Amino acid sequence: QKEVEQDPGPLSVPEGAIVSLNCTYSNSAFQYFMWYRQYSRKGPELLMYTYSSGNKEDGRFTAQVDKSSKYISLFIRDSQPSDSATYLCAMRANAGNNRKLIWGLGTSLAVNP
Amino acid sequence: NAGVMQNPRHLVRRRGQEARLRCSPMKGHSHVYWYRQLPEEGLKFMVYLQKENIIDESGMPKERFSAEFPKEGPSILRIQQVVRGDSAAYFCASSPSREDLEQYFGPGTRLTVT
Repeated sequence: QKEVEQDPGPLSVPEGAIVSLNCTYSNSAFQYFMWYRQYSRKGPELLMYTYSSGNKEDGRFTAQVDKSSKYISLFIRDSQPSDSATYLCAMRANAGNNRKLIWGLGTSLAVNP
Repeated sequence: NAGVMQNPRHLVRRRGQEARLRCSPMKGHSHVYWYRQLPEEGLKFMVYLQKENIIDESGMPKERFSAEFPKEGPSILRIQQVVRGDSAAYFCASSPSREDLEQYFGPGTRLTVT
């Protein structure tokens, strides 16, 4: 079993839809949870990160962490064609040698005008 | 403020040749990470370096692969005697400190081994 599981999609939605992207993980030591966006032929860029459980909102994006279920989500409201990209979750532990990021495979999202 | 720079963007090598991938971190960043990305495997950590030090190379194959980040100049990922299985996108990221959660990625180098 992989440490981080993410459905690769592809996910196709109409413009304006609410998008829900998810990852599950198995390592209870993970404390930091990140969402990256990667456009085709580009490097990933960090959208937002959360520490431990809870929600975080940034504009149209909301990240949620449920540590009890080992489940994280990224919601995109009022999705736009420019949101079409691959979304990667990544996570890491807090200290020691386990600080390296562990990545999901990424979910490919297409927002259709 | 220039972002992370990687060159070349595309590299074609024949089996058995050497590949050298370069990464210039963002100004003020002294921590560099190398990743490899394959469609079916996602992004895989290879190595984490600070200036003149390899901090964590647990994701890098023991043979044929090496990395350095000298006091002056870019970080280099070197792959000797390339094989077809080395074909992938290689990304470099940088951060200002080890504690910093935000890693800034370069555009990647796409290596094709023929």
